[in-house]
Amino acid sequence: KAGVTQTPRYLIKTRGQQVTLSCSPISGHRSVSWYQQTPGQGLQFLFEYFSETQRNKGNFPGRFSGRQFSNSRSEMNVSTLELGDSALYLCASSLDRGQGLDEQYFGPGTRLTVT
Amino acid sequence: GDSVTQMEGPVTLSEEAFLTINCTYTATGYPSLFWYVQYPGEGLQLLLKATKADDKGSNKGFEATYRKETTSFHLEKGSVQVSDSAVYFCALSDLRSGGYQKVTFGTGTKLQVIP
Repeated sequence: KAGVTQTPRYLIKTRGQQVTLSCSPISGHRSVSWYQQTPGQGLQFLFEYFSETQRNKGNFPGRFSGRQFSNSRSEMNVSTLELGDSALYLCASSLDRGQGLDEQYFGPGTRLTVT
Repeated sequence: GDSVTQMEGPVTLSEEAFLTINCTYTATGYPSLFWYVQYPGEGLQLLLKATKADDKGSNKGFEATYRKETTSFHLEKGSVQVSDSAVYFCALSDLRSGGYQKVTFGTGTKLQVIP
């Protein structure tokens, strides 16, 4: 079974631009979560989607948004980029069978650098 | 709300030393507990998990026991190798009233093993 894939792997953008990151979950997984990882703040939860609905949202400004498609693929978008948005963005998928037992499977991440 | 507290890193050990990384949690329900590992330049991957009290998760020589009475899930390995150098994350998954799981991660503990 193919793992979680994220594209692109690396991205360099300029302040004020916007960016879209893509995540393809493991086949059959309907839950997709996004995380931001930085040296200073560690791993921070952005949002989680299940069957095209956002079920959970972290404490990030409205510039961060996401969506999920009917095939469970997900995208996240960051508008008006700031230098502080430079980070590794991780996507994780899970079966989430509704019992709280399922682990998350992570992609390799997208390294975003804002200059 | 749920929270996970891990011991501060970095932890530096000599090869073949004994490893303990402490993890304690608070949760409103009966969570599942996980340890994830992140090698340099990669996403997180599941190391082991335990889904109920007194369960022991184990993998690649690592072990952790779900201790409900002390709300802990400490990671141990009897003899570490240089290849174990990575960042280790403790996490819990709790079931929400909507029937979905919410995952909470600790801040991560960096382990460096020197030859």
